[in-house]
Amino acid sequence: ETAVFQTPNYHVTQVGNEVSFNCKQTLGHDTMYWYKQDSKKLLKIMFSYNNKQLIVNETVPRRFSPQSSDKAHLNLRIKSVEPEDSAVYLCASSYSSAETLYFGSGTRLTVL
Amino acid sequence: GDSVTQTEGLVTLTEGLPVMLNCTYQSTYSPFLFWYVQHLNEAPKLLLKSFTDNKRPEHQGFHATLHKSSSSFHLQKSSAQLSDSALYYCALRTGTGGYKVVFGSGTRLLVSP
Repeated sequence: ETAVFQTPNYHVTQVGNEVSFNCKQTLGHDTMYWYKQDSKKLLKIMFSYNNKQLIVNETVPRRFSPQSSDKAHLNLRIKSVEPEDSAVYLCASSYSSAETLYFGSGTRLTVL
Repeated sequence: GDSVTQTEGLVTLTEGLPVMLNCTYQSTYSPFLFWYVQHLNEAPKLLLKSFTDNKRPEHQGFHATLHKSSSSFHLQKSSAQLSDSALYYCALRTGTGGYKVVFGSGTRLLVSP
């Protein structure tokens, strides 16, 4: 049963455009994450939030900015997309201290 | 830094044969390991995770044993099924900074009749 919801499922855009992805979880978790899964299926953490506070901020380009309005929502904005941003962006949630991650179905971004 | 290594990118097996997927790790703190499975066009989901009391976790016929002496958490199953075909990730919860799980590069398991 899906409990981590991501929108949109797919997004195609041109280089230089701005995009935003949304994520909501209904599990009552206090920690949320963004992961990037590239074409080789490498799964890399980008950010994690605990109770709306940024906890983990990996080395990602500054054009990526997460935003959390409450502990159930975590959005991701990419200010000016580049071709290498083409990937699947996976949102996940967990109870604190990185217990079991529950993933959403992902947003597939294609940058032309 | 903390990291996970999965040496096999692809493992192909015939149905009924045993499965073993390798996972080794480097961890600054006491390790907490996971195996996640991702079927085609689905999200990754937890398969099993290590216990702190040396119990052997099992799920859907899969099991893994945390060996701190060799820094390993290999995934095993006695008999592969067609439905086991998927991408398997080994993952490590890092102690530094908390709230962070790092994933290995993944092993694709293909089980044929």
